[in-house]
Amino acid sequence: RKEVEQDPGPFNVPEGATVAFNCTYSNSASQSFFWYRQDCRKEPKLLMSVYSSGNEDGRFTAQLNRASQYISLLIRDSKLSDSATYLCVVYTGGFKTIFGAGTRLFVKA
Amino acid sequence: SQTIHQWPATLVQPVGSPLSLECTVEGTSNPNLYWYRQAAGRGLQLLFYSVGIGQISSEVPQNLSASRPQDRQFILSSKKLLLSDSGFYLCASATQEGSEAFFGQGTRLTVV
Repeated sequence: RKEVEQDPGPFNVPEGATVAFNCTYSNSASQSFFWYRQDCRKEPKLLMSVYSSGNEDGRFTAQLNRASQYISLLIRDSKLSDSATYLCVVYTGGFKTIFGAGTRLFVKA
Repeated sequence: SQTIHQWPATLVQPVGSPLSLECTVEGTSNPNLYWYRQAAGRGLQLLFYSVGIGQISSEVPQNLSASRPQDRQFILSSKKLLLSDSGFYLCASATQEGSEAFFGQGTRLTVV
């Protein structure tokens, strides 16, 4: 089983749609969780950290479910500019930060 | 915030040739530094990390090596490139374990 697993997609959604991604992780002792965004042929950039209580940043909401060992990202009112690959990132301690392979999102007019 | 400078942006090298990729960091001191490789459609694979000058840890055995001659300089090298070394190489910096990582713009290496 991979340490961090994501549905690779692609997710094709119209503008204005709500889309959700899930990510599962295998190490129950994982400490920190993040969502990064990566545009085509660019470097990843932090989108948001994921807290136990869940957190929201504008149209983006991240949730953590430790019991089931998954994190989620919800994007509301999708924009064309949201088209990118979203990487699930899990820190398990000792400099071990695991990046998922990413979920590709295409938002179409 | 931190700025990561990485060059070159693209590189085409023949099999068996040497490699040297450089990464420098601005806006922080004593960062944790990382080299990642991303194959097409894959996640980021951690190659090396460093917690200080001269301190290098390797995650994956291979024909690559890394060095940290200065606090904010991290170098990835190879004596002889293999075809399988092709990929997108990313340098990253973080102020501490588990914190946000800032990435350089990456080097797209093609070994031919």
